[in-house]
Amino acid sequence: AQSVSQHNHHVILSEAASLELGCNYSYGGTVNLFWYVQYPGQHLQLLLKYFSGDPLVKGIKGFEAEFIKSKFSFNLRKPSVQWSDTAEYFCAVVGPASKLTFGTGTRLQVTL
Amino acid sequence: NAGVTQTPKFQVLKTGQSMTLQCAQDMNHNSMYWYRQDPGMGLRLIYYSASEGTTDKGEVPNGYNVSRLNKREFSLRLESAAPSQTSVYFCASSDFEAFFGQGTRLTVV
Repeated sequence: AQSVSQHNHHVILSEAASLELGCNYSYGGTVNLFWYVQYPGQHLQLLLKYFSGDPLVKGIKGFEAEFIKSKFSFNLRKPSVQWSDTAEYFCAVVGPASKLTFGTGTRLQVTL
Repeated sequence: NAGVTQTPKFQVLKTGQSMTLQCAQDMNHNSMYWYRQDPGMGLRLIYYSASEGTTDKGEVPNGYNVSRLNKREFSLRLESAAPSQTSVYFCASSDFEAFFGQGTRLTVV
């Protein structure tokens, strides 16, 4: 069964620090991969997506992610975080039959 | 441009009561989903519908039923609510990327 693992549950960074959040998925076939962000009290919004092509994808607000097929990973990165990046981040995968599965999320807290 | 509309936004139920959460999308998407979000557990898939006329169980279907009424609408029903179903429920629709509703905060007392 397809699944998504996010190993960092809670990350605290100072403003301007670099960010990398891990994401691994289990399904071995063709997948589409996503990172979503949820600001406090809001619904999920798309940060970036990977369907095919260049494994380094760029999203909104300076975020990027790299798809490494051999490692079943799709890690999220940002060179310099801002206080406004404080939110919860979810990795997700769409596998067969359009089933969209999310990881448990990583809560990012950015301090001034 | 409504996107995904969920109703109601808030609901309090007594144990054993039933209710239906409504979801409608205006983006002509084929796939629709119902999730519940609980602290520390991310979004867990309850049911999904890959296309009109089909529904499939997700990770946590027990205690829930769904109806894909047409391409636009996908409802979630709790037949006999339990305190364990206290959660925030999100509906989503997708063809390539998923769009989410604003959520329903459900409390079962």
